Amino acid sequence: GAGVSQTPSNKVTEKGKYVELRCDPISGHTALYWYRQSLGQGPEFLIYFQGTGAADDSGLPNDRFFAVRPEGSVSTLKIQRTERGDSAVYLCASSYSVRGTGELFFGEGSRLTVL
Amino acid sequence: GQQLNQSPQSMFIQEGEDVSMNCTSSSIFNTWLWYKQEPGEGPVLLIALYKAGELTSNGRLTAQFGITRKDSFLNISASIPSDVGIYFCAGLDSNYQLIWGAGTKLIIKP
Repeated sequence: GAGVSQTPSNKVTEKGKYVELRCDPISGHTALYWYRQSLGQGPEFLIYFQGTGAADDSGLPNDRFFAVRPEGSVSTLKIQRTERGDSAVYLCASSYSVRGTGELFFGEGSRLTVL
Repeated sequence: GQQLNQSPQSMFIQEGEDVSMNCTSSSIFNTWLWYKQEPGEGPVLLIALYKAGELTSNGRLTAQFGITRKDSFLNISASIPSDVGIYFCAGLDSNYQLIWGAGTKLIIKP
């Protein structure tokens, strides 16, 4: 399809395990964002890529969270030593313009459950 | 940190009714946006507002960027069943961070 694609759609893991979540943005979109959404809340910013570089990672909660976008397209969010508090829906969004309009196209999200 | 206060938290309405929801902030925003999220989906942009005082429509939806730049409202006229979902306001701050409200859940009474 032509939209933002995220995999897996659901991931259940045990506390302490390592998790990778993948995002395939809309073709041609240079800006890519990761957000985290808890039940009953709006999305919470994690990290923003412009091309291959992380232009703003100020939202990453701690050093267990890391994200890469090596070729400026697909991005992977990596969570080490998962904790129960990491359970949430992780949303990826992309945009055709550099940061500044707020007009984002979101994927369906990856629901992470840490037992 | 910055917060957006979005109200009401939820609304039960009859089909055909008009709906109004709003968002206020303690900080000034340069852009206000309204998104809608349905279960199992990511948010979808409805309306973007770039100028204080701006009033913009998208079909049955109308949104306004408050003159103080600290608030915005969204109106939906003649609601229909497919309007159900969660409506989020979001403000773009001076660091180009999108700050989100907690959402207004719209439920249509059967």
